Amino acid sequence: EDKVVQSPLSLVVHEGDTVTLNCSYEVTNFRSLLWYKQEKKAPTFLFMLTSSGIEKKSGRLSSILDKKELSSILNITATQTGDSAIYLCAVEALGIGETSGSRLTFGEGTQLTVNP
Amino acid sequence: DTGVSQDPRHKITKRGQNVTFRCDPISEHNRLYWYRQTLGQGPEFLTYFQNEAQLEKSRLLSDRFSAERPKGSFSTLEIQRTEQGDSAMYLCASSYQGARAGANVLTFGAGSRLTVL
Repeated sequence: EDKVVQSPLSLVVHEGDTVTLNCSYEVTNFRSLLWYKQEKKAPTFLFMLTSSGIEKKSGRLSSILDKKELSSILNITATQTGDSAIYLCAVEALGIGETSGSRLTFGEGTQLTVNP
Repeated sequence: DTGVSQDPRHKITKRGQNVTFRCDPISEHNRLYWYRQTLGQGPEFLTYFQNEAQLEKSRLLSDRFSAERPKGSFSTLEIQRTEQGDSAMYLCASSYQGARAGANVLTFGAGSRLTVL
């Protein structure tokens, strides 16, 4: 059974701090790893990672995948109160007999709180 | 297109009643997913459709749960004889997957929150 573990589960920081969120996975036929941000409603897509060692960046957020260590990190620099959210890591695996992925398996998420 | 729409946004029901949720995906998306999320947990996969075909169902999906996507557009998720343990946010997501394998980025709806009393 596919498994995704995130750490820490909860993090409280002050504005301006830099945070690193971790995601590790055990999955058969890995295809991609995705990060989502969830505020009080729907998860919104941040990054998709398929290749090891290639950093994806979007403003103050960046993420990288390590397929050897079966893990990924999400970095947020100069945090702002608007970064407060649950950050979800999900892994997509190829289904048997499929050429494209099907389900995403999510971790529990990291609840990030940024205080002013 | 305004994204993935779900209805109702909130549903309060008594134990034993049946409930139905509706999801309207992004119109050009051929895949539609249902997930369930409880407080403090990540979304748990329930089932997904490619067009009108239901291709996979989670072991979590008991016989009381049924999902349909009759014309390959909107989908419904019905829960029969609801139990208090069914209280959760039910999230719908959609994606486009072409003949050539490519990124499968899900776009989520805002969810339907179910409370079973």
